[in-house]
Amino acid sequence: DQQVKQNSPSLSVQEGRISILNCDYTNSMFDYFLWYKKYPAEGPTFLISISSIKDKNEDGRFTVFLNKSAKHLSLHIVPSQPGDSAVYFCAASPGGGAGNMLTFGGGTRLMVKP
Amino acid sequence: GAVVSQHPSRVICKSGTSVKIECRSLDFQATTMFWYRQFPKQSLMLMATSNEGSKATYEQGVEKDKFLINHASLTLSTLTVTSAHPEDSSFYICSAGQDFNQPQHFGDGTRLSIL
Repeated sequence: DQQVKQNSPSLSVQEGRISILNCDYTNSMFDYFLWYKKYPAEGPTFLISISSIKDKNEDGRFTVFLNKSAKHLSLHIVPSQPGDSAVYFCAASPGGGAGNMLTFGGGTRLMVKP
Repeated sequence: GAVVSQHPSRVICKSGTSVKIECRSLDFQATTMFWYRQFPKQSLMLMATSNEGSKATYEQGVEKDKFLINHASLTLSTLTVTSAHPEDSSFYICSAGQDFNQPQHFGDGTRLSIL
């Protein structure tokens, strides 16, 4: 049973436009959510996170939105750049930070076309 | 920022060999580190939680005698794949976090190929 799902395996966006990556979860115990970016043969790189007490967190071009009632979060990248092309994983944990295991979604491959 | 180093990045060896992978937190102490495994085009699956000074906690379906974890210091955890076979070929990644309210950071992973 997948507790964290990314239903879109891939997304193609034109440079300069907005990229919206979606993630759904089922476990009500999750209260801390993260987005990671991953290139092939490398480890994931942390992008942005949000705790369940918030519904939005913004960092530069990246904004994460959390809808707890729908158990849904999304990552917005504006404007999208070719260098953003990678696989994006959302992850969730029952509590913030370093000491808690992460459950990952299946990933979405983002392709930003010049 | 927090840096996690993983070594080696790539291993190719014969079936039956035991392989050790190291995960180091370079500028912080980590009482807990995590080991993940990723098959091609799939997500990262947690294998085990490595606890400094105590036994690792393994996820269901992960053989603890097959995947030995040692977390002997606050900056080093090792994963040893014992008597590796071709089905153990995968991408293994570790993670660690600096503080409770900080996200985990990942090593660059180890590509293990068993011939």
